[in-house]
Amino acid sequence: KAGVTQTPRYLIKTRGQQVTLSCSPISGHRSVSWYQQTPGQGLQFLFEYFSETQRNKGNFPGRFSGRQFSNSRSEMNVSTLELGDSALYLCASTPLQGLGGYTFGSGTRLTVV
Amino acid sequence: KNEVEQSPQNLTAQEGEFITINCSYSVGISALHWLQQHPGGGIVSLFMLSSGKKKHGRLIATINIQEKHSSLHITASHPRDSAVYICAVEGGADGLTFGKGTHLIIQP
Repeated sequence: KAGVTQTPRYLIKTRGQQVTLSCSPISGHRSVSWYQQTPGQGLQFLFEYFSETQRNKGNFPGRFSGRQFSNSRSEMNVSTLELGDSALYLCASTPLQGLGGYTFGSGTRLTVV
Repeated sequence: KNEVEQSPQNLTAQEGEFITINCSYSVGISALHWLQQHPGGGIVSLFMLSSGKKKHGRLIATINIQEKHSSLHITASHPRDSAVYICAVEGGADGLTFGKGTHLIIQP
């Protein structure tokens, strides 16, 4: 079966712009979570969606938002980009919320210049 | 908020050696995950543990819930095992909380 698909793989944006990243989970998986990875902070939890509802949110500013569609695909949006938002953004899907078995996508590498 | 500590941060070993990576956490959890990340970023889930021990090929993961500690062992290590190994814990409303990772290099 197809894995978790993240698009695009690479992005270069300018400070102040906004960006939208996409994540298509494994078919049948209803929970999608997002993570930011930077050399300084490592991996950090952004938010988790289940059945189109945000269930949990990490400690990130309101510029970071997301949503999940009825087909479980998820998007995250970052507005008013800052240089510090440069990172690898990963999403992961699980069959049901809280039941683990995370499958990660390959990530979107965002560079803000 | 759970604090996850991994040790060592860096580990270089010779091919064939037995490898141990440790993970400790501060607050009770529902599950602990061991992840592997190769250069380029892709993350692979190796184990999910809530108790006891699991084995997959040359990899063994154990968890002691009372001690809030887990170990990942690699037997007969091989250069292809070179990667970053990340411990992550699950529980509460914080999603996954990650350790900083262990950078493992296996030299031939």
